[in-house]
Amino acid sequence: DAGVIQSPRHEVTEMGQEVTLRCKPISGHNSLFWYRQTMMRGLELLIYFNNNVPIDDSGMPEDRFSAKMPNASFSTLKIQPSEPRDSAVYFCASSSEGEYEQYFGPGTRLTVT
Amino acid sequence: GNSVTQMEGPVTLSEEAFLTINCTYTATGYPSLFWYVQYPGEGLQLLLKATKADDKGSNKGFEATYRKETTSFHLEKGSVQVSDSAVYFCALKNSGAGSYQLTFGKGTKLSVIP
Repeated sequence: DAGVIQSPRHEVTEMGQEVTLRCKPISGHNSLFWYRQTMMRGLELLIYFNNNVPIDDSGMPEDRFSAKMPNASFSTLKIQPSEPRDSAVYFCASSSEGEYEQYFGPGTRLTVT
Repeated sequence: GNSVTQMEGPVTLSEEAFLTINCTYTATGYPSLFWYVQYPGEGLQLLLKATKADDKGSNKGFEATYRKETTSFHLEKGSVQVSDSAVYFCALKNSGAGSYQLTFGKGTKLSVIP
């Protein structure tokens, strides 16, 4: 299995631009998570999908952030407009219902200048 | 609410030294406990887990025992290698149907020098 795939691996953009991060979960997994990792705040859960439906988006920082999961094999996290404080590593993870382990992708390192 | 506290890093050890990374938690009920490891430039990987009190999780020479009385899950390894250099995260998840959220500690960076 290829594992969780994220793209791009690195993104550098200017403040005010739209940024879209992409995730392909492991085939057969029905839970998908987006996390943000920063030195100051550690790992934060942004949003959780189950069977393609957003269940918990309480971690989404503000309206500039949105996430979609149009089908079981694809999810996006969009930031519009981006700000320098959004600079972080964004991880996507997936798991099967009832399974303990979450499988993380390699992450997207976002830098907003 | 749930919380996980782990020792501040960074931790620097010589090869073959003994490793302990402390982790304590606060949770309602009886959570499952985890250690994840993040190697440079990669995502997190599950290292070991324990799902009930007194369980010992082990993998790759690492061990941790679920201590309900002290609400702890300390990570240990008897002889570290350079390849163990990574960031280690302690985490918990509530038990029960519908539980999905992992609560992570801040992470402890380990550097092992030859």
